[in-house]
Amino acid sequence: GAGVSQTPSNKVTEKGKYVELRCDPISGHTALYWYRQSLGQGPEFLIYFQGTGAADDSGLPNDRFFAVRPEGSVSTLKIQRTERGDSAVYLCASSLLGVDTQYFGPGTRLTVL
Amino acid sequence: EDQVTQSPEALRLQEGESSSLNCSYTVSGLRGLFWYRQDPGKGPEFLFTLYSAGEEKEKERLKATLTKKESFLHITAPKPEDSATYLCAVQGTSSYKLIFGSGTRLLVRP
Repeated sequence: GAGVSQTPSNKVTEKGKYVELRCDPISGHTALYWYRQSLGQGPEFLIYFQGTGAADDSGLPNDRFFAVRPEGSVSTLKIQRTERGDSAVYLCASSLLGVDTQYFGPGTRLTVL
Repeated sequence: EDQVTQSPEALRLQEGESSSLNCSYTVSGLRGLFWYRQDPGKGPEFLFTLYSAGEEKEKERLKATLTKKESFLHITAPKPEDSATYLCAVQGTSSYKLIFGSGTRLLVRP
């Protein structure tokens, strides 16, 4: 079946602008995760959804970052007033229940000029 | 604090030359240890989950093992297509998030 999909695959924006990144999880997966990966590093946790609610948002770096999952499926990561330091690959993952294997999407490469 | 350290950072092998990648971890309570493969420009691809010390799993030329402090990914007779970054991650019992190491970049030359 279809895996996790993310759009756009690449996003270039200017410092100070607002961006939205979208994640479509595997059908039927109740848990959804966002991670951020900088060059040469492993992914870093941002936020975890169980259904529609954010069960753990301890990884969000500051209040410019926000994520929603209104219907328990698709999720959107929103970044306000982007900074150059926000440039990274944003990865989405989903799992059936939360305690089990996380399957990753291809990522969105965000570049802030 | 939960932490994962992978070594070496980079590894160059000749085709057929077997070797091992190391993942050392500290976690308050281990729910699972995960190995992923990541190709350039792609998302991590799941390989194995290990849950308890002594457990081993195999897939083609790869074999993962787990002790109470570390995990090894053994690569037997690697081929050029095994070239990738291999990521190790732990999931603790207090959270569902994965804590990743920085990865080992493997290059297998023909």
